[in-house]
Amino acid sequence: NAGVTQTPKFQVLKTGQSMTLQCAQDMNHNSMYWYRQDPGMGLRLIYYSASEGTTDKGEVPNGYNVSRLNKREFSLRLESAAPSQTSVYFCASRDPGGSLRNQPQHFGDGTRLSIL
Amino acid sequence: DQQVKQNSPSLSVQEGRISILNCDYTNSMFDYFLWYKKYPAEGPTFLISISSIKDKNEDGRFTVFLNKSAKHLSLHIVPSQPGDSAVYFCAAKGLHNFNKFYFGSGTKLNVKP
Repeated sequence: NAGVTQTPKFQVLKTGQSMTLQCAQDMNHNSMYWYRQDPGMGLRLIYYSASEGTTDKGEVPNGYNVSRLNKREFSLRLESAAPSQTSVYFCASRDPGGSLRNQPQHFGDGTRLSIL
Repeated sequence: DQQVKQNSPSLSVQEGRISILNCDYTNSMFDYFLWYKKYPAEGPTFLISISSIKDKNEDGRFTVFLNKSAKHLSLHIVPSQPGDSAVYFCAAKGLHNFNKFYFGSGTKLNVKP
């Protein structure tokens, strides 16, 4: 019963370094999401993938890229990390199709990223 | 500008009493509302939801109320238990893009034994 698995759990980077956050789900969900959580801000959507082969921008996409590698995996890349990207990153998945449009997201346990 | 707001950062309640967590939204096109619970160092977990065509949904000790005219959502926990101590997020989804969810900033609930 893994659900949504995120790696790594913690990471410290220097400004300008690059990094890819990995996410995999085993629930056969079509849609996957990347959020960041900052103090006092709640969760903000970075990018999402409605289905395999598609990706779309969310509220705060600048400085990030994503890849939907297959149905299971959705990665988030920081090409040149900045201190403003210090945050907790959550990946989520969901199956919203057809009569299941109103379905909740299932979240991983997060990646805590610090950029110095 | 946040479309979903939780104006109380924290709430403290005695065990056995009712906890009421509030959430306000600005977008009248939201059609699905959810509450998530989050423990430290874990991801949010789904708690309860409500469609915009309803005004109440119950699941055990948890009840969500929706007042569309006031654009207000509340979560009632009765009776509150120490294990309910967590951060609670409300979230909303728009009618036309069912992949975009908007989250409030969270309310930290402390249930005292």
